[in-house]
Amino acid sequence: DIQMTQSPSSLSASVGDRVTITCRASQSISNYLNWYQQKPGKAPKLLIYAASSLQSGVPSRFRGSGSGTDFTLTISSLQPEDFATYYCQQSYSTPPERTFGQGTKLEIK
Amino acid sequence: QVQLVESGGGVVQPGRSLRLSCAASGFTFSSYGMHWVRQAPGKGLEWVALIWYDGTNKYYADSVKGRFTISRDNSKNTLFLQMNSLRVEDTAVYYCAREGGVPIFFDYWGQGTLVTVSS
Repeated sequence: DIQMTQSPSSLSASVGDRVTITCRASQSISNYLNWYQQKPGKAPKLLIYAASSLQSGVPSRFRGSGSGTDFTLTISSLQPEDFATYYCQQSYSTPPERTFGQGTKLEIK
Repeated sequence: QVQLVESGGGVVQPGRSLRLSCAASGFTFSSYGMHWVRQAPGKGLEWVALIWYDGTNKYYADSVKGRFTISRDNSKNTLFLQMNSLRVEDTAVYYCAREGGVPIFFDYWGQGTLVTVSS
């Protein structure tokens, strides 16, 4: 089974800051890596797919990068609406277990 | 627009069964793989099951294998999750999600339905 590990588990930052969240896979997953944002009481929302492709309608301040085992999600200038929990997900494994990372909670400093 | 609406959640005793539904609209349901994902209170997301667009292949997380069954009725644009032998640790919000194609990602999600397993 492929394990996904995010760091940090939580992060405090201010509006306007640049933040980076890391996701590491237990084995190479090429670029089969997605990022989701979830706000309290809401369903997750797709931000980035295939490691670096921005989902339609997602602001360009969100950027994904990486391949193989190490990936990052960068938010270039935090906005108030960005405070949420972020999850990575691998879509590489066969049989297809679409494992998520444990999440990174982004809080206001 | 694409909509996924879950139903069927509730409170159930350990060992009992429950069937969740996910009604889809706004897209050609029979063309997409569909997933169930759950989230225990205060915890992260856990992938539960996948069914191919035509229902021919199904896959499960080890934590539910042998107890849960995913199915679909393409004539009624509905996805199901039959949950048997429920355990306290199955307590969670259950989401259905559409698999958005290649590369694989979940592009639309329902609002979730809460399942509470408690005596």
